[in-house]
Amino acid sequence: GAVVSQHPSWVICKSGTSVKIECRSLDFQATTMFWYRQFPKQSLMLMATSNEGSKATYEQGVEKDKFLINHASLTLSTLTVTSAHPEDSSFYICSADPPGQGAEKLFFGSGTQLSVL
Amino acid sequence: RKEVEQDPGPFNVPEGATVAFNCTYSNSASQSFFWYRQDCRKEPKLLMSVYSSGNEDGRFTAQLNRASQYISLLIRDSKLSDSATYLCVVNINTGNQFYFGTGTSLTVIP
Repeated sequence: GAVVSQHPSWVICKSGTSVKIECRSLDFQATTMFWYRQFPKQSLMLMATSNEGSKATYEQGVEKDKFLINHASLTLSTLTVTSAHPEDSSFYICSADPPGQGAEKLFFGSGTQLSVL
Repeated sequence: RKEVEQDPGPFNVPEGATVAFNCTYSNSASQSFFWYRQDCRKEPKLLMSVYSSGNEDGRFTAQLNRASQYISLLIRDSKLSDSATYLCVVNINTGNQFYFGTGTSLTVIP
């Protein structure tokens, strides 16, 4: 099946630093990828839709200047958490929807646990 | 109103029990429906798609009721390894929007 790779799995950083998370589709081209955030015991919340070659679409309440998304190629989308603060500590996960799957399905990266000290 | 609503549980059931989860969705234009399983701090993994005719995969049975706009998941003969959070996911194909329920926590007790 389709494989989505996400890196890194864990990040611990100091407050004020920026963190970049990568999401790669390994065996298919993804014109669209999705970025989610999940706080403990809560569901995944869509942050933004990453579009290859164009600007990302952000959900209401998500600061686009804080969560920078770049989708420069058909196999790579990156999420940069700029000037991270402790409240940004969360589980970030990406997903992609491979073409030709029939009923649309999502395949997820393994997620990134971000801890901001 | 949330697009997808689930009872968060937790459901604590003994091994061998049968347990059912329900999920309701608000948008009648929803086209595709899924159950995902998520273990703690792991990515969700597709458990099964849900079809109008209902579908079964081993101990798992999924049902869709479009008229009432709900989806169900039935787990028979629960195993310890079934302990996880089960996410109901709905896709509104227009704009390729996926919506997640809050997840239902299941713990199977020996």
